[in-house]
Amino acid sequence: DGGITQSPKYLFRKEGQNVTLSCEQNLNHDAMYWYRQDPGQGLRLIYYSQIVNDFQKGDIAEGYSVSREKKESFPLTVTSAQKNPTAFYLCASSMLELQGANEKLFFGSGTQLSVL
Amino acid sequence: KQEVTQIPAALSVPEGENLVLNCSFTDSAIYNLQWFRQDPGKGLTSLLLIQSSQREQTSGRLNASLDKSSGRSTLYIAASQPGDSATYLCAVEGARGGSYIPTFGRGTSLIVHP
Repeated sequence: DGGITQSPKYLFRKEGQNVTLSCEQNLNHDAMYWYRQDPGQGLRLIYYSQIVNDFQKGDIAEGYSVSREKKESFPLTVTSAQKNPTAFYLCASSMLELQGANEKLFFGSGTQLSVL
Repeated sequence: KQEVTQIPAALSVPEGENLVLNCSFTDSAIYNLQWFRQDPGKGLTSLLLIQSSQREQTSGRLNASLDKSSGRSTLYIAASQPGDSATYLCAVEGARGGSYIPTFGRGTSLIVHP
């Protein structure tokens, strides 16, 4: 089945620790996105990538890092510099139209990150 | 900066009612608008995508309209069912620094009770 897979579903971080959230898609999508969702809030953009080996900061990139070494993979690292990391993290992907805009967005099932 | 507002924030209705969820955005220079459904603790599922040149899209009991000039979209749910209970989010896509990026509202939490 084609889709977008996030792992793990639940993740716990100790103080001072870096953790990495996995996002893999087999849809041959060009663009991939990481969003953070807090209770009662909308989705806030952390990082996005529209081509391999290139990525851009979103609205709340501080304390996070990403890589895009392969088209199908876009891992997110939550570093110790992120002081309030507890949230639900969502990865999304889409094809890009000729003009560069997104077609329908597909989302993974999310990772809930909590601080111990 | 694009801002997306969804009204109401929460809605609780009896089964069978026809519903209207509202989404407004501040910058009308959008490329498209999508409506999504999110179940608790899950990812988002795309329901309808409206291109900026379109006025509406329909899928089953769902109908979404777009008035780009006034910065508004509505999602109409006909004959609501308990299975429609979820959070509904809209996202508008506009140009940003040479890319097209979706911006999300906070969502409308819907409960349909039997």
